[in-house]
Amino acid sequence: AQKVTQAQTEISVVEKEDVTLDCVYETRDTTYYLFWYKQPPSGELVFLIRRNSFDEQNEISGRYSWNFQKSTSSFNFTITASQVVDSAVYFCALSVHQGGSEKLVFGKGTKLTVNP
Amino acid sequence: DAGVIQSPRHEVTEMGQEVTLRCKPISGHDYLFWYRQTMMRGLELLIYFNNNVPIDDSGMPEDRFSAKMPNASFSTLKIQPSEPRDSAVYFCASSSLGGEKLFFGSGTQLSVL
Repeated sequence: AQKVTQAQTEISVVEKEDVTLDCVYETRDTTYYLFWYKQPPSGELVFLIRRNSFDEQNEISGRYSWNFQKSTSSFNFTITASQVVDSAVYFCALSVHQGGSEKLVFGKGTKLTVNP
Repeated sequence: DAGVIQSPRHEVTEMGQEVTLRCKPISGHDYLFWYRQTMMRGLELLIYFNNNVPIDDSGMPEDRFSAKMPNASFSTLKIQPSEPRDSAVYFCASSSLGGEKLFFGSGTQLSVL
């Protein structure tokens, strides 16, 4: 089975705290891509990052960082010094190769609330 | 670029009525996806197209749902007849290549009464 599990349904933190959102995936493919998307209260889905399976280097973008570990099939997302504007639902996704094409399978999402 | 454009933003209809959702992908993108989002099931892939050809429609719930892509710049998702359990947000997304990031539209909030 090819799927994405986000075990944390909801997380609530106070502003300036660090928070890590967990993502565990399953796939039989040796080449695949992992993604994170943000869905703020306005509803649109915003792309955050794409990672291919051969690149396990951690990535940092401002207050955001991602830790990809193939050994544990995890692709976790950390927000440092969280802000109220970070409040959103965050989705982890896995590209699945099927029938000669790729499609994205999403986790159920983690709702993050950052309180002032 | 204008991004992925979906219409309408909101649709309220009565059970049994036909509903048509529309999507204009980003110009030059060869892949188009239709997703449905509900609280219970999250984001589900309904169908996707590559170069206007349906590749995988295994996520389409039942025969009441159909999708078309008559040309590279337009796709529709039709529900006929609609039922209250179809109430959800329907997203259209496009990408230039398989495995590339998806660009999502703003979604259509569908309420079937």
